[in-house]
Amino acid sequence: DSGVTQTPKHLITATGQRVTLRCSPRSGDLSVYWYQQSLDQGLQFLIQYYNGEERAKGNILERFSAQQFPDLHSELNLSSLELGDSALYFCASSVDGGAKNIQYFGAGTRLSVL
Amino acid sequence: GENVEQHPSTLSVQEGDSAVIKCTYSDSASNYFPWYKQELGKRPQLIIDIRSNVGEKKDQRIAVTLNKTAKHFSLHITETQPEDSAVYFCAASSKSNYQLIWGAGTKLIIKP
Repeated sequence: DSGVTQTPKHLITATGQRVTLRCSPRSGDLSVYWYQQSLDQGLQFLIQYYNGEERAKGNILERFSAQQFPDLHSELNLSSLELGDSALYFCASSVDGGAKNIQYFGAGTRLSVL
Repeated sequence: GENVEQHPSTLSVQEGDSAVIKCTYSDSASNYFPWYKQELGKRPQLIIDIRSNVGEKKDQRIAVTLNKTAKHFSLHITETQPEDSAVYFCAASSKSNYQLIWGAGTKLIIKP
């Protein structure tokens, strides 16, 4: 167990809908990362937050948004869902968000868009 | 833009043999290179990392080598075992030093 908690584990929804994925980082970690992993694909970096502020942005679609709250948990909002958004979404956390910090991954949320 | 290329995409080796996975990075400012292992259905986990001030690092059966001049680094696994079967991701720190640039992953298959 990495100490990073993601909920829900599974999510099944329809095209056009909106969902929210939640992540609680390890105790003491200030930075949260979101990744998308499609079937048999690599890790696509979406976005990083540090202590409530956006720090780095990857290939995140405009339909997706995220935030990190004062208690450091983070939410990833996916809207106007398309079939191609079906994937495993990982959250990771690290101590201070520097690239040299170990990233601890959660177990992921598997999103299925039907 | 910043890029990390990882080869091969799939590697099949006989149990007990060695496996080598290679990554090439584009940004000469990159100075941190971790390797993550993702077993089937599991989360990625760091297995070894190297910083740019050293050329090699070992941890039991795994080692990472770094060639800064050629801008490539490699993961070496010796005496492979069934539990080494997984997808391995390399990464390199970005210019901003805030994020990692990830390779596409290598699926390592250990044949009994």
